[in-house]
Amino acid sequence: SQQGEEDPQALSIQEGENATMNCSYKTSINNLQWYRQNSGRGLVHLILIRSNEREKHSGRLRVTLDTSKKSSSLLITASRAADTASYFCATDGSYYGQNFVFGPGTRLSVLP
Amino acid sequence: ETGVTQSPTHLIKTRGQQVTLRCSSQSGHNTVSWYQQALGQGPQFIFQYYREEENGRGNFPPRFSGLQFPNYSSELNVNALELDDSALYLCASSLVLGGTETQYFGPGTRLLVL
Repeated sequence: SQQGEEDPQALSIQEGENATMNCSYKTSINNLQWYRQNSGRGLVHLILIRSNEREKHSGRLRVTLDTSKKSSSLLITASRAADTASYFCATDGSYYGQNFVFGPGTRLSVLP
Repeated sequence: ETGVTQSPTHLIKTRGQQVTLRCSSQSGHNTVSWYQQALGQGPQFIFQYYREEENGRGNFPPRFSGLQFPNYSSELNVNALELDDSALYLCASSLVLGGTETQYFGPGTRLLVL
């Protein structure tokens, strides 16, 4: 079974609007990362947030982490058509060598 | 670009055949992981190699095997292919110094088993 679960499964918004995606996980983590994937191609790393951090920003991206609720959110502000992609959260375990566990992803469509 | 390359980009095989997929990691990265991604799903961890030795394995049968070489390249081998093996196969390289690391993904190899 997958550790991370993104919500919603699909999201459709207009250009310029904000997009929020959520991720929940089950066990303790060292860090949580968000990745983007365009049309079944390779994953692109967006942002990493460590377990002792609560919020992190990178350009138009804002990620929060609530370890008490075992959840994270990814906010994309002022969305663009080029943001259309699938977004995945990935968690790693609390000891070295544990693999990344990905959720099923949120498919974001940004309409012009 | 992540500096991670994979070959071939696409591959068609028939059931029962064997396949080898290749990955070239970023220079200096000591760890490579392989993932299987079925259509519409998230990547599923197959296994990870650290300094040429397997360092963790997901829920995949032994007919999935791998190698990592000193020149930052690696291979994923799948024997006795089944229809359900049709998927996008992703490799990801990282530099592990202890603890947290970011994985850099290649573009993937799309395998179709008929």
